[in-house]
Amino acid sequence: NAGVTQTPKFRILKIGQSMTLQCTQDMNHNYMYWYRQDPGMGLKLIYYSVGAGITDKGEVPNGYNVSRSTTEDFPLRLELAAPSQTSVYFCASSLTGLLNSPLHFGNGTRLTVT
Amino acid sequence: GESVGLHLPTLSVQEGDNSIINCAYSNSASDYFIWYKQESGKGPQFIIDIRSNMDKRQGQRVTVLLNKTVKHLSLQIAATQPGDSAVYFCAESGGSQGNLIFGKGTKLSVKP
Repeated sequence: NAGVTQTPKFRILKIGQSMTLQCTQDMNHNYMYWYRQDPGMGLKLIYYSVGAGITDKGEVPNGYNVSRSTTEDFPLRLELAAPSQTSVYFCASSLTGLLNSPLHFGNGTRLTVT
Repeated sequence: GESVGLHLPTLSVQEGDNSIINCAYSNSASDYFIWYKQESGKGPQFIIDIRSNMDKRQGQRVTVLLNKTVKHLSLQIAATQPGDSAVYFCAESGGSQGNLIFGKGTKLSVKP
């Protein structure tokens, strides 16, 4: 199993540009999550999904959108990039959800908005 | 508000010594706790977890201790190796799918 795969690894955006961060997992996990990690800080939850067709906001959803059309894929969309969105983004999946099972993380996408 | 914090932001140990990383939590309703290890340039990696109905859980070279009375969690690493050098995060799950709170992390450095 490849686990959780994120693309791209790095990206530089200009203010106002848009992009989609891709995330796919091959573990047949229903639960998927997007986190951002700022320097010296813990991870903050952006959006999560408990199954295909279902998404919910996390702690810091503003400026982002998600979709979950399949079990495997959970892309994160930035419509109008802002410098405050400069961060490292991690996608994760879980077998039975945050209450019962650990997260499996991808290796992250490092995004810089200038 | 709820918070998960770490007592020591950095920890330096000699190779072969035992390491102890501490974590405080404030939400008494949290019932599932996890430790993650994050190496440079990688995503967090699951180390060990513990539920609130347990006080101690052991893995390979790692032990997690939970003291619910003082809301304290610790990770013990036996015979620390250079490959253990990383940032360690504790996290608590407080009752909903959107509520996993991460601490800021402790950086463990192992001196050969």
